[in-house]
Amino acid sequence: DTEVTQTPKHLVMGMTNKKSLKCEQHMGHRAMYWYKQKAKKPPELMFVYSYEKLSINESVPSRFSPECPNSSLLNLHLHALQPEDSALYLCASSQTPSTSGGNEQFFGPGTRLTVL
Amino acid sequence: GENVEQHPSTLSVQEGDSAVIKCTYSDSASNYFPWYKQELGKRPQLIIDIRSNVGEKKDQRIAVTLNKTAKHFSLHITETQPEDSAVYFCAASMGNQFYFGTGTSLTVIP
Repeated sequence: DTEVTQTPKHLVMGMTNKKSLKCEQHMGHRAMYWYKQKAKKPPELMFVYSYEKLSINESVPSRFSPECPNSSLLNLHLHALQPEDSALYLCASSQTPSTSGGNEQFFGPGTRLTVL
Repeated sequence: GENVEQHPSTLSVQEGDSAVIKCTYSDSASNYFPWYKQELGKRPQLIIDIRSNVGEKKDQRIAVTLNKTAKHFSLHITETQPEDSAVYFCAASMGNQFYFGTGTSLTVIP
């Protein structure tokens, strides 16, 4: 299985709602990532988990809360979002970096989030 | 932090011609440089990558070159086909951190 899956595909939520995005991979990758992508822009790194521990938080607002329950799953909990948070949220996974650098990231199809 | 610049932002070529996209990076600690193709409404997909200990890599019609001294790397697509039309992103990585360029929208005109 060489695929990263994400649910839901689409999500519409109000600013007072709490929702979660889910990501799953079964490639044995121990690095997992959350990215935010706005239309016609590149993916922006939000969080990185390495061996189920949060290793990078790119100064993301606390209304986004990541969780890595096990080596295959990654969640992103959303609370009190703003309309400007509307975007495509991409999950990715990779083998952990070696001494020669990073490794190929496999992206999920994304969750298209709309905040009303 | 790392800053990746990518040019051009849009590129139109005739089918069969070559396309070249260039990126520069700022942090000499970056040591892995992937290129992604993203079609409209789809996920980014890796098309080729290069590590800092290699100067050039080729895979069929696609090649990447890296100049560590000048901190720039380029994507070369030869014999372009309409299905090459997409947005292409370069990225620079150190460890688990990936920084993307701003993207190039490539259109191949049949």
